[in-house]
Amino acid sequence: DTAVSQTPKYLVTQMGNDKSIKCEQNLGHDTMYWYKQDSKKFLKIMFSYNNKELIINETVPNRFSPKSPDKAHLNLHINSLELGDSAVYFCASSHGTLGNEQFFGPGTRLTVL
Amino acid sequence: ILNVEQSPQSLHVQEGDSTNFTCSFPSSNFYALHWYRWETAKSPEALFVMTLNGDEKKKGRISATLNTKEGYSYLYIKGSQPEDSATYLCVDSGTYKYIFGTGTRLKVLA
Repeated sequence: DTAVSQTPKYLVTQMGNDKSIKCEQNLGHDTMYWYKQDSKKFLKIMFSYNNKELIINETVPNRFSPKSPDKAHLNLHINSLELGDSAVYFCASSHGTLGNEQFFGPGTRLTVL
Repeated sequence: ILNVEQSPQSLHVQEGDSTNFTCSFPSSNFYALHWYRWETAKSPEALFVMTLNGDEKKKGRISATLNTKEGYSYLYIKGSQPEDSATYLCVDSGTYKYIFGTGTRLKVLA
């Protein structure tokens, strides 16, 4: 059983399109995250939700909008995709606050043409 | 130190060698320090979470120490094996922060 799953695994799309990436965790965690792995392979946190409430919102364009319908899901919707959005996006979850270990999903490779 | 820095950036060791690398982080407002292991084409896996000054954690051949007063943590690998090849990330976490280091890329040669 996959603990943290993301769909799709690969996403190729044209500039200007709107797309969503879904994340689900079956660990019973109450906190979920989205990360972007940039061109230098660094991981940077984008958003964090605790009990469906936004607790971290780093400096990301407002074209990126997270949505948490329940504690087990945190989806990432991206409007008007740009070339610079091409990256690998990782979802993660943890129990409680940022002081606890996080469990990562397999990543979604987004390519914007 | 304002950022989370790791050194060396990369290293190669021979199978059977022991090795260690460093994570430096801001010592003020410390909450927790995490170590993750990240294999190529996979996702990061948690190794340790440490919160107390002087903490030492061990998992098999891998261990870590923490000095919160001076802002550093060491990760040690004893008797390196090819399957230890990965990028090792440390993370400085707090109430509203989760800052990854740049990682140390380890390659263990058979």
